[in-house]
Amino acid sequence: DIQMTQSPSSLSASVGDRVTITCRASQSISSYLNWYQQKPGKAPKLLIYAASSLQSGVPSRFSGSGSGTDFTLTISSLQPEDFATYYCQQSYSTPVFTFGPGTKVDIK
Amino acid sequence: EVQLVESGGGLVQPGRSLRLSCAASGFTFDDYAMHWVRQAPGKGLEWVSGISWNSGSIGYADSVKGRFTISRDNAKNSLYLQMNSLRAEDTALYYCAKDMRQLAFDYWGQGTLVTVSS
Repeated sequence: DIQMTQSPSSLSASVGDRVTITCRASQSISSYLNWYQQKPGKAPKLLIYAASSLQSGVPSRFSGSGSGTDFTLTISSLQPEDFATYYCQQSYSTPVFTFGPGTKVDIK
Repeated sequence: EVQLVESGGGLVQPGRSLRLSCAASGFTFDDYAMHWVRQAPGKGLEWVSGISWNSGSIGYADSVKGRFTISRDNAKNSLYLQMNSLRAEDTALYYCAKDMRQLAFDYWGQGTLVTVSS
């Protein structure tokens, strides 16, 4: 089974900061990697699919990169509405999918 | 507008069964794979099960394999999750999610809460 890890598990940042979250797969997953944002009490929201494709309606300050086993989600300039938990997800081993454990971004 | 509305959650004793439903609207249901994802209180997301558009491909997380069964009724625009032999660790908010063909989940319901407790 493919295992996903994320680092850091949490981080504190200020509005305007550049934030980078890393996701690593236990084996190569090509570019089958997605990123979601979840705010408390809300359903997750798709941000990035296929490692680097921005979902429609998502602000351009979000970007994704990587392939193989190592991936990155970057928020170029953190906004107040970006404080949330972020999850990566592999879709390489379909019909089985796996989420990472999440990275909580809060206010410094 | 795409809508996914889950139902069927509730309080159930360990070892009993429960069936969740997800009513879909606003898109051509039988064109897309669908999934169940759960989130235990205060924990992260866990993919539970997924089913292709024609039910020809089905997957389960190891934690539910042999106990849960996913199904769909394209005529009724509905997704189901039959949960048997429930355990305390199955307690979670269960989300229904639509697959966007690029193997990512682009729409989610608001979830239905399942609590397994005696």
